[in-house]
Amino acid sequence: EDQVTQSPEALRLQEGESSSLNCSYTVSGLRGLFWYRQDPGKGPEFLFTLYSAGEEKEKERLKATLTKKESFLHITAPKPEDSATYLCAVQAGTGRRALTFGSGTRLQVQP
Amino acid sequence: DVKVTQSSRYLVKRTGEKVFLECVQDMDHENMFWYRQDPGLGLRLIYFSYDVKMKEKGDIPEGYSVSREKKERFSLILESASTNQTSMYLCASSLTLDRDDYGYTFGSGTRLTVV
Repeated sequence: EDQVTQSPEALRLQEGESSSLNCSYTVSGLRGLFWYRQDPGKGPEFLFTLYSAGEEKEKERLKATLTKKESFLHITAPKPEDSATYLCAVQAGTGRRALTFGSGTRLQVQP
Repeated sequence: DVKVTQSSRYLVKRTGEKVFLECVQDMDHENMFWYRQDPGLGLRLIYFSYDVKMKEKGDIPEGYSVSREKKERFSLILESASTNQTSMYLCASSLTLDRDDYGYTFGSGTRLTVV
C-alpha cells in the first residue's frame, strides 16, 4: 500500500526565515512525486512534479528535491503570501495510478 | 487555463437523503477524480474515472457511487447520506496517468454537511 507522511504538521516562520518541509513515502515503483499548495477554502494548486532521485525543481522561493525515500520542499526567505498548506502526493508506477496524498504541512509566515 | 467546476460550494443534507455532487471540466481531460478531505487525514481517493463510463474504486468507496456519461462530467453520488460523510469533497481532472508535468487540476470543493 502506498503511503505518504509529511512533517511537520504545522510550521510557523518569521518573514525571511528559510526552512524545509519533509515528505517521506513508500510506493511501488515511483512514477512521480507531486507538490501542491492549498489556500484556505480552495482546491490544491499544482506546483511541481519530480520523477527520479536527484532531481530538483524551483519556482520563485520554492525548491523541491527528491531522494529514493523522501522529498523536501525548501522555502527560501519566505513572505506572508507563502502561508498555505503544502501537500505532497505520489503516483505509483504499477497498480493504481491515481495520486496518494499526505496530510499536508500548514505553513504560516508572520511579517 | 483548465477549469474544474463543482456545482455547489456548500450543501446541507439530511441523513438518508440521496446526494449528487456534480463536477465539470472544460479541457477534454481523460481522467477525473473524487477525493474527500478531512482534517488530519489529508485527501483520500473515493473513485476515479479514466474514460467515459469507466470507473475504478479508490481507498474509501463504501457508501458512494459515481457516474461518467460524458467526458466532461463526473458525478459523485451518496446513496444514503450519513453524518460520517460530512466532509470537503474535491473533484480533479488530469490529462494523463503517465508522466505528468501538469498535475491534477482541482475544483474549489464542496463542503457537505449531513445533519
